Amino acid sequence: GDSVTQMEGPVTLSEEAFLTINCTYTATGYPSLFWYVQYPGEGLQLLLKATKADDKGSNKGFEATYRKETTSFHLEKGSVQVSDSAVYFCALRRNNAGKSTFGDGTTLTVKP
Amino acid sequence: DGGITQSPKYLFRKEGQNVTLSCEQNLNHDAMYWYRQDPGQGLRLIYYSQIVNDFQKGDIAEGYSVSREKKESFPLTVTSAQKNPTAFYLCASRGQGVTDTQYFGPGTRLTVL
Repeated sequence: GDSVTQMEGPVTLSEEAFLTINCTYTATGYPSLFWYVQYPGEGLQLLLKATKADDKGSNKGFEATYRKETTSFHLEKGSVQVSDSAVYFCALRRNNAGKSTFGDGTTLTVKP
Repeated sequence: DGGITQSPKYLFRKEGQNVTLSCEQNLNHDAMYWYRQDPGQGLRLIYYSQIVNDFQKGDIAEGYSVSREKKESFPLTVTSAQKNPTAFYLCASRGQGVTDTQYFGPGTRLTVL
């Protein structure tokens, strides 16, 4: 079946450091890939998405590129801020599937 | 404004009681979902519905029940058969486009006393 594997956390960085959170997936066909962010006590919000190979999703300084050859969708940001502290979830959905598959989430803490 | 609402934000229940969590959306989405999230863990799918009057079990449906009588509403009942119901419950909805994303509600934190 489908699966998503995320880099284990927690991840702790200093402000303005470079961020990478790894995400790899297993799925048949050509799934759409997503990154969601969850702030404490809230629901998930879509951060970015990519729907086909080599697409780059970007939002709020975050980027991720859909790499079919390595089945990866790593999240990156060049300079993190304290306000980026949250839990980040990688997810996929095959286009004919009714449900999504989520990774276990990676907790990011950014210190001033 | 369009969105998903969940109520209440916090809910307390005595052991052995059933409780119903509300989820309403005005996004005109066909598909709706219920997830459970335990502290420090990811999301686990309880039930989902792709159309009115139809729903499917997710990965952890035991001890839960749902109904989908209206497009905009997908209530979740946590029954007394659910052995460990204390958790954060998230509702989501999605349009029918192949690349449509899920939109999540703010969640309900259920605590069994």
